[in-house]
Amino acid sequence: SQKIEQNSEALNIQEGKTATLTCNYTNYSPAYLQWYRQDPGRGPVFLLLIRENEKEKRKERLKVTFDTTLKQSLFHITASQPADSATYLCGGYQKVTFGTGTKLQVIP
Amino acid sequence: NAGVTQTPKFQVLKTGQSMTLQCAQDMNHEYMSWYRQDPGMGLRLIHYSVGAGITDQGEVPNGYNVSRSTTEDFPLRLLSAAPSQTSVYFCASSTGLNSNQPQHFGDGTRLSIL
Repeated sequence: SQKIEQNSEALNIQEGKTATLTCNYTNYSPAYLQWYRQDPGRGPVFLLLIRENEKEKRKERLKVTFDTTLKQSLFHITASQPADSATYLCGGYQKVTFGTGTKLQVIP
Repeated sequence: NAGVTQTPKFQVLKTGQSMTLQCAQDMNHEYMSWYRQDPGMGLRLIHYSVGAGITDQGEVPNGYNVSRSTTEDFPLRLLSAAPSQTSVYFCASSTGLNSNQPQHFGDGTRLSIL
């Protein structure tokens, strides 16, 4: 079955470093991937969308890549801050299947 | 701008009871959907609608009913609540079905079935 996987449940990094989160997909070829941020007790909030023909997309300190050969998207937060601590969700194509999320904690 | 509004925010039910989770959006979005979020399972699609009068099943539809009589509202009904339906429920809307359109989520309904 079509699947989106975020293998890291949690990631801890030091403030100022770059956080890199991974999203892998299997058994389908999404035309798009989306990334969302979710804070405790809140609904997910859309951050970025990347199309399969876009290798990279940036928004302020955020960068997303899409590698159709590896069937993978990477989500980077540069110069990370404690306020970036949240769970980040990767969402795929067709009714937007989601991964289980990676909980990022940025340590001051 | 209210966006997507879900009510209630919290609810406790007994097994066998029925209830309706409300969802309303004020963005004139055609596409609306319901998800449940469980630890270790992520967001799973329950039902979705591509417009008023049109609904379809998602990944985990059993035990839930939906209807879409207006563009704004998309209620989710639990017919006979079971403990396995204890979860956080999110409603979302967007301008399109496919994932080229961002989804706007409500803040969820936290439901416990005893």
